[in-house]
Amino acid sequence: NAGVTQTPKFRILKIGQSMTLQCTQDMNHNYMYWYRQDPGMGLKLIYYSVGAGITDKGEVPNGYNVSRSTTEDFPLRLELAAPSQTSVYFCASSYQQRDTQYFGPGTRLTVL
Amino acid sequence: DQQVKQNSPSLSVQEGRISILNCDYTNSMFDYFLWYKKYPAEGPTFLISISSIKDKNEDGRFTVFLNKSAKHLSLHIVPSQPGDSAVYFCAASVGNYGGSQGNLIFGKGTKLSVKP
Repeated sequence: NAGVTQTPKFRILKIGQSMTLQCTQDMNHNYMYWYRQDPGMGLKLIYYSVGAGITDKGEVPNGYNVSRSTTEDFPLRLELAAPSQTSVYFCASSYQQRDTQYFGPGTRLTVL
Repeated sequence: DQQVKQNSPSLSVQEGRISILNCDYTNSMFDYFLWYKKYPAEGPTFLISISSIKDKNEDGRFTVFLNKSAKHLSLHIVPSQPGDSAVYFCAASVGNYGGSQGNLIFGKGTKLSVKP
């Protein structure tokens, strides 16, 4: 039981490049979330999903896209990377919305 | 406009003493509160939660107190241990209505250092 896994752990992008952050959970959770954490700040919700095929915006969705084709996977896409997207990105999952969220180890992204 | 505030960026305590981490909130609709703990280079892990129908919840060395009238909650760690050194995030959510309201709003965190 691996829990929530994220790849890559680190990435450096140039302005304008695109990339996909991968997130997989093996707990059969319905809900999945993407957060970003900027230095000295709390976690801000980017997007979330209540189940396969259903996604919705969080607090800071601009510049990102998501999809949820399976229960296990919830990739986050950055289309045109900008320096403001330099952050640590965490994926999380929970069985129901008010249940404990389990977090992945994070992806540290730098956009130069 | 921050709805969940942790006004102390850091806290240092001696091993064996009590650690008290504070959290204030502005949204009176919040009815479920959680504390997460985060070590460097790891994701946050759930520590303890409290519903607004309670004013205290205890789990081993960790106790969370909720003062609804003051819109304030606190996490007490007794006794503090060096392994408790981490960043602690307070989080809150609104009702069980589903949709975006049920999502967690996090504070900025408090870095706790427990010295041997």
